[in-house]
Amino acid sequence: DSGVTQTPKHLITATGQRVTLRCSPRSGDLSVYWYQQSLDQGLQFLIQYYNGEERAKGNILERFSAQQFPDLHSELNLSSLELGDSALYFCASSVGGEANEKLFFGSGTQLSVL
Amino acid sequence: AQTVTQSQPEMSVQEAETVTLSCTYDTSESDYYLFWYKQPPSRQMILVIRQEAYKQQNATENRFSVNFQKAAKSFSLKISDSQLGDAAMYFCAYRWRGTASKLTFGTGTRLQVTL
Repeated sequence: DSGVTQTPKHLITATGQRVTLRCSPRSGDLSVYWYQQSLDQGLQFLIQYYNGEERAKGNILERFSAQQFPDLHSELNLSSLELGDSALYFCASSVGGEANEKLFFGSGTQLSVL
Repeated sequence: AQTVTQSQPEMSVQEAETVTLSCTYDTSESDYYLFWYKQPPSRQMILVIRQEAYKQQNATENRFSVNFQKAAKSFSLKISDSQLGDAAMYFCAYRWRGTASKLTFGTGTRLQVTL
């Protein structure tokens, strides 16, 4: 158990809908990362937050947004969903967000867009 | 942009034998970190080993070791005395030392361990 909790584990929805994925980092970790894993694009970095502030941004679509709350949990919002958004979405956390830090990954949320 | 390439989509090894997974990367930076992550069927990503680019000594973690060739931009993972529990997807990853850097993954190598 990594200590990172992601909910829900599975999500099935329809095109055009909006969903929210939730992540609780390990106790004491200030940095949260979101990754998308799909068969065609592999593991893609979406966004990183550190203590409530956005720190780094990757290939995150404009239809996607995220935030980190004062209690350090994070949410990833996906809107106007398309079939191609079907993927495994990972959240990870680390202590301070430095490059050498070990990332602890959650078990992911499997999103299926029908 | 940094890229990470894993040219072996699948590898197979017999239990107790040794296997090497390949990884190459492309970067113009000199100070960075390299990682190998394991993703078993449970889907959870687990850090196997980490290498700092400014350290010439290859990292080792029990049965796992790396061969880091900075000039060649190569970072292979050697698994000794392979066990059934080593069966998983293995991802090589790169992260520049600077602030706001991202962890970039390769496409992965699926390792099968046979009896």
